[in-house]
Amino acid sequence: GQNIDQPTEMTATEGAIVQINCTYQTSGFNGLFWYQQHAGEAPTFLSYNVLDGLEEKGRFSSFLSRSKGYSYLLLKELQMKDSASYLCAVRPMFSGGYNKLIFGAGTRLAVHP
Amino acid sequence: GAGVSQSPSNKVTEKGKDVELRCDPISGHTALYWYRQSLGQGLEFLIYFQGNSAPDKSGLPSDRFSAERTGGSVSTLTIQRTQQEDSAVYLCASSLGDGASYEQYFGPGTRLTVT
Repeated sequence: GQNIDQPTEMTATEGAIVQINCTYQTSGFNGLFWYQQHAGEAPTFLSYNVLDGLEEKGRFSSFLSRSKGYSYLLLKELQMKDSASYLCAVRPMFSGGYNKLIFGAGTRLAVHP
Repeated sequence: GAGVSQSPSNKVTEKGKDVELRCDPISGHTALYWYRQSLGQGLEFLIYFQGNSAPDKSGLPSDRFSAERTGGSVSTLTIQRTQQEDSAVYLCASSLGDGASYEQYFGPGTRLTVT
């Protein structure tokens, strides 16, 4: 079966660093995405990992270990506007151009002053 | 440029009625996806269209759900004989193609409430 786990909620302080973990068990692996979703809004793309290692993009970084079925999203210099849900999504297979994603339930991050 | 648009933004319907939800993808995007997001839940894949290929309907929860995509652009998701458990936010997404790294761009969603 397909299973993606991430913590339900996290809290952090403005200016701090927070790491949101995601573990997955899927039938095959062809890429992992992180999306940000503010309450009542559409998810927006943050990062994509397909090879092991760290991808850095400004204040946000994403790490992948395929052998461990594990990824994390690292948010630095937290701002109040970073309060949102963070969705981990895995593409379990890429056969004939099939781009289906399996999403985790999301981690709701609350940043406080 | 214009993003993915969906209409209506909110829909309240009585149990047993049919509803149609519309999605306008980003121009030039050949891939289109429908997801459902229930309160506190992750996004649940429903259906996927890619170009002129037959759609993948493997995520549709029952035969009351159907979707079509006309002219490779606009898509309509139809739910017949709605049930209370159909209440959710229905999200549409599109991507440039089916390339491995192509991100999906999401619309704002349609919040469906079945009373």
